[in-house]
Amino acid sequence: GAGVSQSPSNKVTEKGKDVELRCDPISGHTALYWYRQRLGQGLEFLIYFQGNSAPDKSGLPSDRFSAERTGESVSTLTIQRTQQEDSAVYLCASSDRDRSNQPQHFGDGTRLSIL
Amino acid sequence: DAKTTQPPSMDCAEGRAANLPCNHSTISGNEYVYWYRQIHSQGPQYIIHGLKNNETNEMASLIITEDRKSSTLILPHATLRDTAVYYCIVLKTPLGTGNQFYFGTGTSLTVIP
Repeated sequence: GAGVSQSPSNKVTEKGKDVELRCDPISGHTALYWYRQRLGQGLEFLIYFQGNSAPDKSGLPSDRFSAERTGESVSTLTIQRTQQEDSAVYLCASSDRDRSNQPQHFGDGTRLSIL
Repeated sequence: DAKTTQPPSMDCAEGRAANLPCNHSTISGNEYVYWYRQIHSQGPQYIIHGLKNNETNEMASLIITEDRKSSTLILPHATLRDTAVYYCIVLKTPLGTGNQFYFGTGTSLTVIP
């Protein structure tokens, strides 16, 4: 079946602009996660959704970052007033949280480059 | 969550079994062992996970020692497309809480023709 889909796959924008990154999780997956991966580094957790609620936003690096999820499906990560340090690959993952210890399935990410 | 230790790199001949070790000596009783891999420019790909019994699926086998302090991921017949960075993660995921995967540096596996 279809996996996690993210769009755009690449985004280049100027410093100070706002960007929106989209994630379509696997159908029926109630949990959705956003991570950031800088070049050559591991994953940095940003935010977790259970349904449309975000019980854990602890990883959002600043108030320029926000995310929402609607219809227990699509999620959007928004970065306002982008800075060069925001350049990274932003990964989305989903899992079936109605069953414990289910693995997360990742999309291929959005590669964000801030000029 | 328990920390893991993996060798930074390994080579394997094409067609042979690739055995990737992971130490997790501080694992607790309710933590699972997960394996993912990441091929350049792609998102992490789930491979397999287990608690204490050995597990096998269409991609790989997971062997967990009886004391659960270490595990080995086995790719039975490695192909060139298995060249990737392999991550071993231990985590407990009780219902109702987030499940934050922390990927360390992993093992860079190179399959040689």
